[in-house]
Amino acid sequence: GNSVTQMEGPVTLSEEAFLTINCTYTATGYPSLFWYVQYPGEGLQLLLKATKADDKGSNKGFEATYRKETTSFHLEKGSVQVSDSAVYFCAFSSGNTPLVFGKGTRLSVIA
Amino acid sequence: GAVVSQHPSRVICKSGTSVKIECRSLDFQATTMFWYRQFPKKSLMLMATSNEGSKATYEQGVEKDKFLINHASLTLSTLTVTSAHPEDSSFYICSARDQSTSSEKTQYFGPGTRLLVL
Repeated sequence: GNSVTQMEGPVTLSEEAFLTINCTYTATGYPSLFWYVQYPGEGLQLLLKATKADDKGSNKGFEATYRKETTSFHLEKGSVQVSDSAVYFCAFSSGNTPLVFGKGTRLSVIA
Repeated sequence: GAVVSQHPSRVICKSGTSVKIECRSLDFQATTMFWYRQFPKKSLMLMATSNEGSKATYEQGVEKDKFLINHASLTLSTLTVTSAHPEDSSFYICSARDQSTSSEKTQYFGPGTRLLVL
């Protein structure tokens, strides 16, 4: 069935370190792919998205490329900041179905 | 653009009472809204999908008589937790989909409502 697998956290990094959070999906058809971020005590915010193969979504220094051949949408950032500490959710949607979420990856960035 | 609001942000109630949570899309029309529940340090669990003017579709295991959903307009959906019990305490998050573009699949989320039932 449809599912999203993302690397388990927590991930702890020092400021300015490189970040990768892996995400792979199992879906029928050609889903749209998303990364959402949840800061402590808040709802989810859309971080970036990609709607077709080879698209790259980017925002706030974060990037992810839609890789159809590997069914992946890994999140990367070249230099993390303390303010990036949050939970990151990978998700996809096919057609008009609701988002299917991964379990989330908690990122802690220390100064 | 694409802002979703929720009210209240936090509510404490006594066991046995009912609580209503409102979800509004502020700057777009949302034919479809979704209600999620999130347990501490867990992912979001989809409770139901709500389409404007029709009955909500509940996920397996979610009691429709317990969690009443109304989607009376293109900008407002409400979730009522009836006869709340301590185990209903959770973080409830609504989401709305912008239907203005047929290809747009993005769901926008409200800030969440934290419910504590004593």
